[in-house]
Amino acid sequence: GAVVSQHPSRVICKSGTSVKIECRSLDFQATTMFWYRQFPKQSLMLMATSNEGSKATYEQGVEKDKFLINHASLTLSTLTVTSAHPEDSSFYICSARGTSGGPGETQYFGPGTRLLVL
Amino acid sequence: GQNIDQPTEMTATEGAIVQINCTYQTSGFNGLFWYQQHAGEAPTFLSYNVLDGLEEKGRFSSFLSRSKGYSYLLLKELQMKDSASYLCAVMDSNYQLIWGAGTKLIIKP
Repeated sequence: GAVVSQHPSRVICKSGTSVKIECRSLDFQATTMFWYRQFPKQSLMLMATSNEGSKATYEQGVEKDKFLINHASLTLSTLTVTSAHPEDSSFYICSARGTSGGPGETQYFGPGTRLLVL
Repeated sequence: GQNIDQPTEMTATEGAIVQINCTYQTSGFNGLFWYQQHAGEAPTFLSYNVLDGLEEKGRFSSFLSRSKGYSYLLLKELQMKDSASYLCAVMDSNYQLIWGAGTKLIIKP
């Protein structure tokens, strides 16, 4: 299967700082990448969908000025949590979908980044 | 609205068989996915169904009935490592995945 990497896997930061998370598709080109957040014992929550070379589409309730997404190439998307606060502590997971984008195009997930804001 | 329903938790015995059901109501249908998620890890892809019927892949099988808005994931010869959450997701008419809340499967010796 396709491989998606995510970096860092774990980050601890002070309140008010910004954190950047990278998501890379290693062996395929990803037209679309997705950013999810998952709180303990809860289901995945889609935050935003990003297409290469265009602005991300954010889900309702997700602040686009707080969660900056850049999808500059077909293999890299970044999520920056700006001015992080303790309530932003969560498991952030990216996924990537290949270039065909049609029915059955599987999303492959990165390993996730666990963010703890003190 | 769009809705995916699956049981919250199930318990089964090592070596046995378990069936995890998923029912859905979505705007359009472009296939149904099953993912496995171990605690603290990201989901991994298990199966994809777009036509009615059963897809078998080793110990895991997935079934779909589009007319009933129903799918199940069947796990045979259960192993302790199968303890995980199993997520059902439907791709809607906009090719977006609609996720169920997941079924936590507990395997007992």
